Formats: sequence, C-alpha cells, structure tokens
Amino acid sequence: KAGVTQTPRYLIKTRGQQVTLSCSPISGHRSVSWYQQTPGQGLQFLFEYFSETQRNKGNFPGRFSGRQFSNSRSEMNVSTLELGDSALYLCASSSPYGGARTDTQYFGPGTRLTVL
Amino acid sequence: SQQGEEDPQALSIQEGENATMNCSYKTSINNLQWYRQNSGRGLVHLILIRSNEREKHSGRLRVTLDTSKKSSSLLITASRAADTASYFCATDNSGSSNTGKLIFGQGTTLQVKP
Repeated sequence: KAGVTQTPRYLIKTRGQQVTLSCSPISGHRSVSWYQQTPGQGLQFLFEYFSETQRNKGNFPGRFSGRQFSNSRSEMNVSTLELGDSALYLCASSSPYGGARTDTQYFGPGTRLTVL
Repeated sequence: SQQGEEDPQALSIQEGENATMNCSYKTSINNLQWYRQNSGRGLVHLILIRSNEREKHSGRLRVTLDTSKKSSSLLITASRAADTASYFCATDNSGSSNTGKLIFGQGTTLQVKP
C-alpha cells in the first residue's frame, strides 16, 4: 500500500497570507490527524477528522481549520499567517474502524511551512 | 502541553552499544507508542504497547511499560549508525471525546557513532 502523502513538501509564504496543505491517507484509512511540530513546542495536535467530521480539536486559534473529503483526503488551512506559524505540519492516518481508541498512526513526510 | 517527558534529551553512543530512552507521562492511557524521526522528516512508527501489556519486542527494540509509575522505556540493542534519529514516545488517552490525538514527549536525540 502507498503511504501517507502530503503536498506540497515545502512552502514559503509571507505574513498575512493564507495557506492550504493537503494530505492523502493510506487507502482504507478513514481517520486523519494533523500535528504541528516546532523546535519550541514540539509536536502538538491540531485536529482529527473521521468520515468528513471533525471529531477532536487541539488548542489552536480559529485561524487553523481543516476538512475531510468523502475519499478521506484532508486539507488544513491557515489564514492570516503569522511568523510563529512556521513549522513542520504532519498528517497521520489510522484505523479504518473509527473507534475511540487511537491506534497506530502512520505519518506523512510533512509540509515545511516558512512564514516570512 | 506535552504529556510525555523523555530522558535523556540527548544520547551519544558507539555503534554496537545499547541505547535506552525513558518516557514518563501524566494521565491514564490506552496505549503508548514509540516513533522515530530522521532529521525533520515524517515520523516512523516503531512499536505500540497497550496499557495491559508490560513488555514488547520487535527486532532489536524492546519496550517496557509500567503503568503504576506512568513510565516506559525503549531499548535499542546493538545500535547502528542508521539508528541515529530522534525518538518520541506518544500516549493515547482517547475517550469518546478525545479521538485521534496522540500526545508526544519532547523526544530523545540519539547519535550513534560508527
């Protein structure tokens, strides 16, 4: 099976712009989670989608949003970019079952976002 | 905020030696997972241990879990230069309202010298 793919791999934006990142999960996986990784804060959970519904959300401002399509592909959007949004954004897919327990998450290579 | 705390933050050993990393967490968990990350790339899943398990092996990896102490350790035996990476523990305390969320520690950076 193909792994989790993320596009684009690298992105440079300026403050105030918005950005959309894409994630294609492993075939058959219906849960997609997003994480932000920075040197200062480490890996932090953004949100999780299952069957086109956001089931869980981390402590990020409303500028961070996401969605999931019927084929389980997911996008996340960051509006009004700030310098502090520079980070590696990782998505992970898991579990075709959608249970409450989080099983193994399989991560994509990430999108490196730089905000100037 | 991070739930897991990892110790040590950095570890440097010679090829062939064993590497041990420790992880502590704060709340009850369903399972604990270990991931490896090479130089700012995606995370690679290594092993998952459930809360009712005490020890698990996978190749050169051995993971232990002590739920009474809320701690876990990852042992890599006979290390190789290719094991050089950052290692993260991640816990799942999912309930019906907390799905899909792993809480990561800050990681241990392992350097294996040839």
